[in-house]
Amino acid sequence: DGGITQSPKYLFRKEGQNVTLSCEQNLNHDAMYWYRQDPGQGLRLIYYSQIVNDFQKGDIAEGYSVSREKKESFPLTVTSAQKNPTAFYLCASSAGGHNYGYTFGSGTRLTVV
Amino acid sequence: QQPVQSPQAVILREGEDAVINCSSSKALYSVHWYRQKHGEAPVFLMILLKGGEQKGHDKISASFNEKKQQSSLYLTASQLSYSGTYFCGTAPNTGNQFYFGTGTSLTVIP
Repeated sequence: DGGITQSPKYLFRKEGQNVTLSCEQNLNHDAMYWYRQDPGQGLRLIYYSQIVNDFQKGDIAEGYSVSREKKESFPLTVTSAQKNPTAFYLCASSAGGHNYGYTFGSGTRLTVV
Repeated sequence: QQPVQSPQAVILREGEDAVINCSSSKALYSVHWYRQKHGEAPVFLMILLKGGEQKGHDKISASFNEKKQQSSLYLTASQLSYSGTYFCGTAPNTGNQFYFGTGTSLTVIP
C-alpha cells in the first residue's frame, strides 16, 4: 500500500542537540511538506519541496533545515537554534500543487528534555 | 492569511447535523477539507476548486462560494466516528501559498 512513513513516532531531544526526523513516501508524489502542530493549534508550514534538489522556506523555517536528494525522501533537521521545538511534526505529500489533496504521515512527537 | 473557521467547537448528539464554515480574506482558487482525530494525522476529505462547486462524500458534503471567499462543510446525520478536529486549507488565486484554518473541534455523543 502506498503511503508516507515518518519515524520515529516519539523523539526526545536534549538542549543543544540537533535531531533529524525521517519522512519517506512511496506515492510517487512530487511535492512534500513539513508542518508543525502545537497543542490545540492549526498546522504551520516549516518547509516544502516541489521537486528534487529544491525546497522553499515556509512561515516558520527558522531553526529547521531540510534536504530533498531523492523524490521519496524529505528529512527534517531540528537544530539547536530552534528554541521551542517541542511539538507534533507532520510530513505530507501531494501529486503537485493545490489541485490535489495532501496525504499525511502519522507524525513525530518531539519533546525537549 | 490563515483562513478563519467557525464555530471553534461544537457538540452534537448522534444523528444531528452540523455546518462548519471557513472564511478567507483573499480570493480563493481551491479549498481542502481534512479531519484529524486526537493524536493522529489529518485525513483528506475533499477538495473544491474555483467554479463554485459542491461535493459530497457519504453524508459529508461541502460548498465553495468564490464571491464570499468562503467554504462550508456539511455533516448530516452525524455518527460517533465523525468526532475530531476539522481543518480547511485554502489556496489563493495568486501566489503559491496554502494555509490551514484555525480548526473546528467536533464531538458527537451518543
